[in-house]
Parts: sequence; C-alpha cells; structure tokens
Amino acid sequence: GAVVSQHPSRVICKSGTSVKIECRSLDFQATTMFWYRQFPKQSLMLMATSNEGSKATYEQGVEKDKFLINHASLTLSTLTVTSAHPEDSSFYICSALRDVNQPQHFGDGTRLSIL
Amino acid sequence: QKEVEQNSGPLSVPEGAIASLNCTYSDRGSQSFFWYRQYSGKSPELIMFIYSNGDKEDGRFTAQLNKASQYVSLLIRDSQPSDSATYLCAAGTGGGNKLTFGTGTQLKVEL
Repeated sequence: GAVVSQHPSRVICKSGTSVKIECRSLDFQATTMFWYRQFPKQSLMLMATSNEGSKATYEQGVEKDKFLINHASLTLSTLTVTSAHPEDSSFYICSALRDVNQPQHFGDGTRLSIL
Repeated sequence: QKEVEQNSGPLSVPEGAIASLNCTYSDRGSQSFFWYRQYSGKSPELIMFIYSNGDKEDGRFTAQLNKASQYVSLLIRDSQPSDSATYLCAAGTGGGNKLTFGTGTQLKVEL
C-alpha cells in the first residue's frame, strides 16, 4: 500500500524558532501533496496544496510567508513554520496523492509545541 | 462555504453490534467521499472511499452514498473494541484533490 513518511513526529521548541517538517512518499510518486493542521478536538483544516516544481496554493487565511512550502521532487514536500509562536502549536499532517480520483494517504503527523 | 457535518458523538455500541455513522455535505459539486479512522494522537487512516450512489462493501465496512440527499454513511458490522476511534468523513472535489473534512464522530465499542 501507499506509504507516506513524515518527520519529525514531535517538536518542542522556543518561541521564535523556525521548524521544518518533511513529508515523503516512500513507494510512489505523488502528483500532489497537502498540508493540514488539526487543533485539539477539531477536524483537519487544509492549509495548502503542493505540486512538484510549482508554488503552493494556500487556503484563505493561511499566511504563505509564515508557512513556507517547498516541493522539490515528486516524493518530497517540506513545510517550514517560520518564527513559530505558541499559537502555532498544533498537529501538522501531510498527505500525498498518487493520482487523481485516488484517496489521499496521510503521514503520521508532527506534533508541534511552541513554548 | 463548503461544509461537511457529522454528529460528534460519542456513539456507544456494544461489541458485536452494527455501528452506523452518518455525514452530510453541502457542496453538490463534491465527487468523491472518504471515511478515515483517527485514533487519539494519530493521523487519519483510510477506511473506505465511494464515488457512486449506492453501497460499497469491504469486509466489515459498508459505505453508502446518496447524492440526491447529500448524505454519506458508514456501517461497521460486528463492531470490535479496536474500532473505538474518531471517524472522519471527507468530501472531495477536483478528482479528490481537495478534501473538506467533518469534525468527526467518536465511536466507542463497549465490551
């Protein structure tokens, strides 16, 4: 089955730090990758859609200069939370799409805690 | 605004019973529908997906879609304690490229 690896699984750091999260599709080339954020007791909210070789498409209300996305290859997308603050603490989850009309496959998520 | 609505629960069923989870969506342009299971602190894992009206069965799981009523459901037969989790319904547009998730229904399967 499709496997998506996300790293790191947990980050605890001081306010003002920039944090980089990697998302890799291990056994397929992903046409598209997605980044979600989930606050406690809430559902997944799409932050941005990432296509290899092009700029990410951000959802309304998501600051593109705050959440930098780089999709350098068909198997790797990265999300960098720049100058993170406590309100950025959340569960960040990536997913990868092998092909259109196929389900998205999720990584294991990254729990980010900003002190 | 596109919305996917689910009853937050918790839905409690005894072991061995059928659990019925329901979901409605507002965007008639939605083409694909997904059920994900999410354990506490973990990321979602795909249970089933359905694109056409009617039923789709996979083992103990049956997904039902009624596009006229904008309604999707998931039936879990012979519920097990390991099925206890939050079940997320998602509606997709653009070939499944963009998913809108519901807030999830918490299922508790009791011994």
